[in-house]
Amino acid sequence: DAGITQSPRHKVTETGTPVTLRCHQTENHRYMYWYRQDPGHGLRLIHYSYGVKDTDKGEVSDGYSVSRSKTEDFLLTLESATSSQTSVYFCAISPGRKGAGETQYFGPGTRLLVL
Amino acid sequence: KNEVEQSPQNLTAQEGEFITINCSYSVGISALHWLQQHPGGGIVSLFMLSSGKKKHGRLIATINIQEKHSSLHITASHPRDSAVYICAVRKETSGSRLTFGEGTQLTVNP
Repeated sequence: DAGITQSPRHKVTETGTPVTLRCHQTENHRYMYWYRQDPGHGLRLIHYSYGVKDTDKGEVSDGYSVSRSKTEDFLLTLESATSSQTSVYFCAISPGRKGAGETQYFGPGTRLLVL
Repeated sequence: KNEVEQSPQNLTAQEGEFITINCSYSVGISALHWLQQHPGGGIVSLFMLSSGKKKHGRLIATINIQEKHSSLHITASHPRDSAVYICAVRKETSGSRLTFGEGTQLTVNP
């Protein structure tokens, strides 16, 4: 299994509070991704990174920010959590070699409940 | 309309049955992925296809680029195959990013 961990694995927070989720990898992969998974929507990309300090928005980026200061860590921050951000959050990584069709490897997920 | 559609949404089978899950997409792609999400939530990649067919154990994945369609087959199904199966495509215009279908919930009864 690819070495990907997410922390925390579960979190309950209140509306309006800031929340940071961490994704840590030991594979030295170039690309890292944050997804959210909700019933009826499947996995949706929030933000992704293609290198240290290089990030870009996905399809559901509003209300989220990310940072990648070193290869192994990709942080997702909810500046002011809202109930609509209650979800399961997955981190994924891929090697970033040239050419299409790379496999993505997923972390175990973080369940976030915003009350 | 979603760019990636899976059918059926839910599928119940008896142990030993041959199972087919379908994925249709409406965009140009460079690759198609099949993933499995276990009941505990973990997601693993099963196949990555850009043409033809791939086989791993009892799982077979096929893709028809002209028809924009892929199928995942499970032969001699077993209760441990119960999971959500997710189709995802890498669009020609989106670099490394994937676009996902909503998944097919498979339950195999003993």
